[in-house]
Amino acid sequence: QLQLQGSGSGLVKPSQTLSLTCAVSGGSISTAGYSWGWIRQPPGKGLEWIGYIYHTGSTHYSPSLKSRVIISVDKSKNLFSLSLSSVTAADTAVYYCARVEMVRVYFDYWGQGTPVTVSS
Amino acid sequence: EIVLTQSPGTLSLSPGEKATLSCRASQSVSSSFLSWYQQKTGQAPRLLIYATSSRATGIPDRFSGSGSGTDFTLTISRLEPEDFAVYYCQQYDNFVTFGGGTKVEIK
Repeated sequence: QLQLQGSGSGLVKPSQTLSLTCAVSGGSISTAGYSWGWIRQPPGKGLEWIGYIYHTGSTHYSPSLKSRVIISVDKSKNLFSLSLSSVTAADTAVYYCARVEMVRVYFDYWGQGTPVTVSS
Repeated sequence: EIVLTQSPGTLSLSPGEKATLSCRASQSVSSSFLSWYQQKTGQAPRLLIYATSSRATGIPDRFSGSGSGTDFTLTISRLEPEDFAVYYCQQYDNFVTFGGGTKVEIK
């Protein structure tokens, strides 16, 4: 059974960089036809797509976050990572990692969510 | 970027009743790229439906999806106690967007 486990800093200061990692187990991050993505959810609000990466390193980002986001993949460790720079309080959210099925583009496996607070 | 508008914001129903949730797109969405998710409080979303009407693995057949163009619907034929949750639609048209969600609550 595929599992995704997110981890990273739960508290980030304004203007700094948020860094999260998602470890994939029960399957290979290099499986053809799937990308690996990030979605966030501010407290009490809906879901916002951040971006995704294919195991080749090809990335696709949300236009609203593109200037601040980097998603990377480490095939040797079977994990992928999110970096979000210049954070503000508006970036406070639960960050989910998920597998993306690339034919129909939907998120079929999700991590448990990593809460991140931006505060000084 | 395509905007998805879900209605109603909240649906108050009793167990056993039928739930009909709407997802309207600001422009036409390919039926191949419309999905639905269920999210319970404190949990990650769970995939219910992909490609408008295909149920994900393990999803009971009381959940069904339909629609085309700009109007899509998620139907729960008979609500079970575990179905009371928030539901989101999601589309892909070069970029991914989610609807704002519909909360199905116990009446």
